[in-house]
Amino acid sequence: ELKVEQNPLFLSMQEEKNYTIYCNYSTTSDRLYWYRQDPGKSLESLFVLLSNGAVKQEGRLMASLDTKARLSTLHITAAVHDLSATYFCAVDYSATNKLIFGTGTLLAVQP
Amino acid sequence: KAGVTQTPRYLIKTRGQQVTLSCSPISGHRSVSWYQQTPGQGLQFLFEYFSETQRNKGNFPGRFSGRQFSNSRSEMNVSTLELGDSALYLCASSLGAGGNEQYFGPGTRLTVT
Repeated sequence: ELKVEQNPLFLSMQEEKNYTIYCNYSTTSDRLYWYRQDPGKSLESLFVLLSNGAVKQEGRLMASLDTKARLSTLHITAAVHDLSATYFCAVDYSATNKLIFGTGTLLAVQP
Repeated sequence: KAGVTQTPRYLIKTRGQQVTLSCSPISGHRSVSWYQQTPGQGLQFLFEYFSETQRNKGNFPGRFSGRQFSNSRSEMNVSTLELGDSALYLCASSLGAGGNEQYFGPGTRLTVT
């Protein structure tokens, strides 16, 4: 069964500190996506990682992909309140537009 | 370029009724995928259409169905609604047959009473 696991499920962050979210998946894939969801809203695309070793950065967020370890990480640098949201990773195993989502990680940045 | 649009945005139905949700993809996108989001099960893939053909289907009962029109607009239908069908239904469009980034619409919030 295809599985995508994220941890932690909940992350209470202090402003200006660094944190990492982990996304493990069960079967080889080289297409991994990170999305952000604000409460009651839809999914906003953050990163598309398409190859082993891919690293992408946008502001305080940096995502990387290690296809051999079947692991992606989302690193948050110097957290700020605006980053509070739920973050999902998703894998497209067979390039068929069928995304398997992780459980999501709820980030709450405390002042 | 306009984004993915979904109608209606909110819907309240009674158990046993049926419902049709609509999704208009980004202009030029030919693939539409549907997802269900619930607090208990998270985000789950329902089905995907490309060029009016269903190419993939998730693990949902036959009460869930969909179709795609020649202009790439898609509808999904849920018959004999159950309380557990209450969810946020998201559609996503992408350019081609697979491996392209998916762009999500605002969703339809369905409440079944």
